[in-house]
Amino acid sequence: EVQLVESGGGLVQPGGSLRLSCAASGFTFSSYDMNWVRQPPGKGLEWFSYISRTSSGIYYADSVKGRFTISRDNAKNSLYLQMDSLRAEDTAVYYCARHTYGVGFLYWGQGTLVTVSS
Amino acid sequence: DIQMTQSPSTLSASVGDRVTITCRASQSISSWLAWYQQKPGKAPKLLIYKASSLESGVPSRFSGSGSGTEFTLTISSLQPDDSATYYCQQYDTYSCTFGPGTKVDIK
Repeated sequence: EVQLVESGGGLVQPGGSLRLSCAASGFTFSSYDMNWVRQPPGKGLEWFSYISRTSSGIYYADSVKGRFTISRDNAKNSLYLQMDSLRAEDTAVYYCARHTYGVGFLYWGQGTLVTVSS
Repeated sequence: DIQMTQSPSTLSASVGDRVTITCRASQSISSWLAWYQQKPGKAPKLLIYKASSLESGVPSRFSGSGSGTEFTLTISSLQPDDSATYYCQQYDTYSCTFGPGTKVDIK
């Protein structure tokens, strides 16, 4: 069974940092591109970062470019998100999602809540 | 960046009604469009990919159509379990984008 489990969310002050993890199981992690998607409370979905299976291709939305860093460790079956210079508008549930070519995001984690507040 | 719009933003319909949601892209995305259903507190669920392909296990009352810049999601006979928010997503580029969502309520 494919599973994606996010961790690392919590309360952080504006300007602070947080590192999220996404543990993958039930499939060959190194064969799939991965994404991060977030959802502010009561609002819609926002894609903001992609990483290819070998980490050779990385993309960010303008809203996080220069502040967030996506990475992966295929040996540990894990995806990461380093979030720096956090702002109140970064408050959201953060999801990792597996990218299947031609299909979209078939598998999602359960999400982890990040709250940026003083 | 490719922008996605959806209409309506909300709709209320009765059980058994035919419901249609429209999604438009700011430029052609061929058929690289997916539809997701999301219920409160849950992760999105993939319903349709490549504009009209039904994901395995999704009820056949859901269907998708369109190509280029205009797409539709149709629920042929609305059921109580279909109360949710529906999002379209373009994945023509690596920097994919979601539409703003359509909330479907049951009257």
